[in-house]
Amino acid sequence: GNSVTQMEGPVTLSEEAFLTINCTYTATGYPSLFWYVQYPGEGLQLLLKATKADDKGSNKGFEATYRKETTSFHLEKGSVQVSDSAVYFCALSPYNFNKFYFGSGTKLNVKP
Amino acid sequence: EAGVTQFPSHSVIEKGQTVTLRCDPISGHDNLYWYRRVMGKEIKFLLHFVKESKQDESGMPNNRFLAERTGGTYSTLKVQPAELEDSGVYFCASSQDQGESEQFFGPGTRLTVL
Repeated sequence: GNSVTQMEGPVTLSEEAFLTINCTYTATGYPSLFWYVQYPGEGLQLLLKATKADDKGSNKGFEATYRKETTSFHLEKGSVQVSDSAVYFCALSPYNFNKFYFGSGTKLNVKP
Repeated sequence: EAGVTQFPSHSVIEKGQTVTLRCDPISGHDNLYWYRRVMGKEIKFLLHFVKESKQDESGMPNNRFLAERTGGTYSTLKVQPAELEDSGVYFCASSQDQGESEQFFGPGTRLTVL
């Protein structure tokens, strides 16, 4: 079946610290992988995506690489800011982006 | 351009009552999706509309849940009768095309069943 496992939070970091949020998946076929972010009071926003193995998605300083051999899609950022405080969801879509399987979310708190 | 909107933002009801959630997708988006996040767990797919037709309703938990999208514009999700385990955040999303088309999410409706 299809599922996503991501590290539990909350994760608390100081500003300018390095961020890693782990995400692993199980899937049938060759899924596309995504990171979504939910800022307080808002809906989920697509942060980045990768559609095939070894692709790297990047946006706003965040990066994640589609690793088929380890079935992983870890989110990284070299220097977090207070404004990055949010809940981050890893997700996969096994076909055509029509149905997403999400992880449980990781809350990130960045302190000044 | 307005984003996906959902109403109400928060609903508190007693067990056994009925609640109707509404989602207004981005104008022109044929695809509309409902998801649910229960108790801080993963967000789970409920169903997918293409215009007014249900393309995939494999995630609907049971027959107490009824989703409609008359006219292919806004959608409603009715829970009748509500149970305690229905508490959670219900998200709606829309996309323009099928295939590699981004889904845009609304802010969610937080449902609390007491």
